[in-house]
Order: sequence, then C-alpha cells, then structure tokens
Amino acid sequence: NAGVTQTPKFRVLKTGQSMTLLCAQDMNHEYMYWYRQDPGMGLRLIHYSVGEGTTAKGEVPDGYNVSRLKKQNFLLGLESAAPSQTSVYFCASSYNLGLAGTGETQYFGPGTRLLVL
Amino acid sequence: AQSVSQHNHHVILSEAASLELGCNYSYGGTVNLFWYVQYPGQHLQLLLKYFSGDPLVKGIKGFEAEFIKSKFSFNLRKPSVQWSDTAEYFCAVNSGAGSYQLTFGKGTKLSVIP
Repeated sequence: NAGVTQTPKFRVLKTGQSMTLLCAQDMNHEYMYWYRQDPGMGLRLIHYSVGEGTTAKGEVPDGYNVSRLKKQNFLLGLESAAPSQTSVYFCASSYNLGLAGTGETQYFGPGTRLLVL
Repeated sequence: AQSVSQHNHHVILSEAASLELGCNYSYGGTVNLFWYVQYPGQHLQLLLKYFSGDPLVKGIKGFEAEFIKSKFSFNLRKPSVQWSDTAEYFCAVNSGAGSYQLTFGKGTKLSVIP
C-alpha cells in the first residue's frame, strides 16, 4: 500500500494563478481531509469529505474549493492564488469518523509545499 | 470550539536527557487524543494515541503519554532522547460523537544536541 500520496510535491505560483492539488489514498478510507500547515500555527482544517460526492468546510475554507468525484481521490483547488496561501498542504484520510472512544486515526500524506509570489 | 495548547514552542535537550512535552485541551467530554511527530522534511506520523482504558499509553520509539482527565492533559514523555528524535511534535484531539474534526496544537519543535 502506498497509503496517502500527494502531487505535486512543490509548486510556485504567481498571484492570481490557479492550480489543483491531488490527494490519493489506497486504503479504501471513507473520510478525507485537507489541512494547511503554517509556522507556529499547527495544522488547520480547510475542507473535508465524508464520502464520495460529498464535501464540507473546515476551519479555514476561504479561497479554496474541493471535489471528491472518486472515493480514492480528493482534490483541492485554488482558483486565484494569493500570497496568504503560501503554505504546506497536507491531505489525510481515515476509515471512519473519529468517534470519541474509538481511536480512529487520520493518516497523512507527504505534503505539498506551495509558494505564491 | 475545542482547543489544544502546547506549552513549549521550542525545546533543546542534550542526548540522554529526559523529555516531557505538555499538552492541554479544552473539551470536557470523551476524547480521542493523539501525538503526531513530523521529522524534518517528512509528513506527520502517528506516535501514539489514547481513546479508552489505561491512561498511560505507550507508543513507538520509546515514547509514552499519560492522560490525566482531571487536568485535561496528555503529556508526552521519553526517559532518554536521541539525536534522531529531533522533530516537531503535535498534540491533537477530537471529541464528541461523530466528530470528524482533529484539532491540532501549534507544535513543539524538539532539537536534540549530540
């Protein structure tokens, strides 16, 4: 199993450009998540999906869109990139909801480093 | 909204020193608690987790954590650190029935000096 993979690994964009980050998982997980990691901020949830065809907003959704057309893929789109979106983006997946007391674990991909000039 | 506090931003230790990283969370109900580690240039990996049972949890690489419900704490410990433990450590919590949201602390950077 490859686990959770992300492409690309690194990208430089100019302000106003668009791009799509791809996340793929081969663990048959229902739930997928996109986080951004900024220095001193920890990880913050952007969007998540509880199954194929579903998406929902997380803590910091503005400026991003997502799609989950296939169970194994979760795409994160930036329609018009801004310097404030310079960050490291992590995708994660889990088999089930993190019901309290179950210990459901989220598994993370290697990250995509994005620089917006 | 739940929150997670990690007390130390950067900890510097010599090899063989003991480690304790603090983590406090705000939610009062049943929780799942996690420690993740991020080695330089790598993705987050699960170090250990608590969800029920024995409040003293053992993880990989000699790490352990103790859940103290009365203090809303889940501190990470290791009796003797190695240079290879240099990494950033994140405490995370999710809570409540059907909770998808994993809330992370801001992280503690650990530097171990040989």
